[in-house]
Amino acid sequence: GQQVMQIPQYQHVQEGEDFTTYCNSSTTLSNIQWYKQRPGGHPVFLIQLVKSGEVKKQKRLTFQFGEAKKNSSLHITATQTTDVGTYFCAGHRSSGSARQLTFGSGTQLTVLP
Amino acid sequence: GAGVSQSPSNKVTEKGKDVELRCDPISGHTALYWYRQSLGQGLEFLIYFQGNSAPDKSGLPSDRFSAERTGGSVSTLTIQRTQQEDSAVYLCASSLSSDSNQPQHFGDGTRLSIL
Repeated sequence: GQQVMQIPQYQHVQEGEDFTTYCNSSTTLSNIQWYKQRPGGHPVFLIQLVKSGEVKKQKRLTFQFGEAKKNSSLHITATQTTDVGTYFCAGHRSSGSARQLTFGSGTQLTVLP
Repeated sequence: GAGVSQSPSNKVTEKGKDVELRCDPISGHTALYWYRQSLGQGLEFLIYFQGNSAPDKSGLPSDRFSAERTGGSVSTLTIQRTQQEDSAVYLCASSLSSDSNQPQHFGDGTRLSIL
């Protein structure tokens, strides 16, 4: 079945440093979504990427979708303590049922003040 | 309501008992999903409902797990003869439709602890 791998599993950064999490799928994706889960909270949708090579920005967050639509990344510039949480990518397969999102294992970000 | 509502928020029960978890999706959302999240882990897909179509049960880990959705709205996830490995947070999500470009909106989850 489809697998979505995400690295690193954990990342500790000093406030102000940059952070990147990477997502790789074993199969081509029709789109990829990113979610953020604060400690003790539930996943909250951040963004969706659909096109090959697409890049989207939300303030300090930059999201990329690979040319082959099998990988993606989230980059945070100058992290703040409010960025703390676990970031998940989630992909829909290109073929077969597109109903099921496959989530990566997440990257837990800690920002030290 | 404004968001996805799940109840109970916490459930502690003894091994072997049955439990029922409830999810009330966002009004108007036709797609409903159940996930399981173990401590520090990602989200494991369990089951998906879309309108009146047959549910996608491909993620249910065993026949002790079942779910239904009545009237296309509220859903209940039932776990029979609970085991300790069933301990996890059970998350429900809904989306406007089953189109793959729709974001999923999650509830706060039910934290299930099996003693």
